[in-house]
Amino acid sequence: AQTVTQSQPEMSVQEAETVTLSCTYDTSESDYYLFWYKQPPSRQMILVIRQEAYKQQNATENRFSVNFQKAAKSFSLKISDSQLGDAAMYFCASARGSQGNLIFGKGTKLSVKP
Amino acid sequence: EAQVTQNPRYLITVTGKKLTVTCSQNMNHEYMSWYRQDPGLGLRQIYYSMNVEVTDKGDVPEGYKVSRKEKRNFPLILESPSPNQTSLYFCASRERTRATGELFFGEGSRLTVL
Repeated sequence: AQTVTQSQPEMSVQEAETVTLSCTYDTSESDYYLFWYKQPPSRQMILVIRQEAYKQQNATENRFSVNFQKAAKSFSLKISDSQLGDAAMYFCASARGSQGNLIFGKGTKLSVKP
Repeated sequence: EAQVTQNPRYLITVTGKKLTVTCSQNMNHEYMSWYRQDPGLGLRQIYYSMNVEVTDKGDVPEGYKVSRKEKRNFPLILESPSPNQTSLYFCASRERTRATGELFFGEGSRLTVL
């Protein structure tokens, strides 16, 4: 069965600093996609960044970037210049099967200290 | 505005009293899905639908029913709710042809079963 593991239940970062959230996954598929979603206190699920497994280049979206290590099945999220608004729960997810159903990790709660 | 709308947003009910959580999307998406979110467990898929009249079980379907009579609507039905169904529920949709495209989420429905 496909699994997604986030080993850090909680993390904390100082405002303006950089933080990395870890994610590992397990899949038998050769082509797949990985995602990071953000859930602020409003509970809304917001797509942060997406990585296509066949692309070697790491995805980047402004202050958010990923470190995709395909052989190690690792997909970490790096947040640079952390802002107070980055405080949220972050979920790593992978798309499963031809239907593309998302499998989510258990989440990492990120706190940002002023 | 493109959106996924869930109702009710908050509901307190009692064991055994049938309830329906409605979900509607205005993006003409073929694919729709229901997730439940519980502390420490992340989001788990309940049911999904690839198109009208096509539904399938996710990872935690027990105690739930769904229907897809119209493309825009995908209601979640709890025939006889129990306290272990107390949770935060999310409906989501995306284009079917893009199995790895962005999943758009509703704002969540907080359900408490006493």
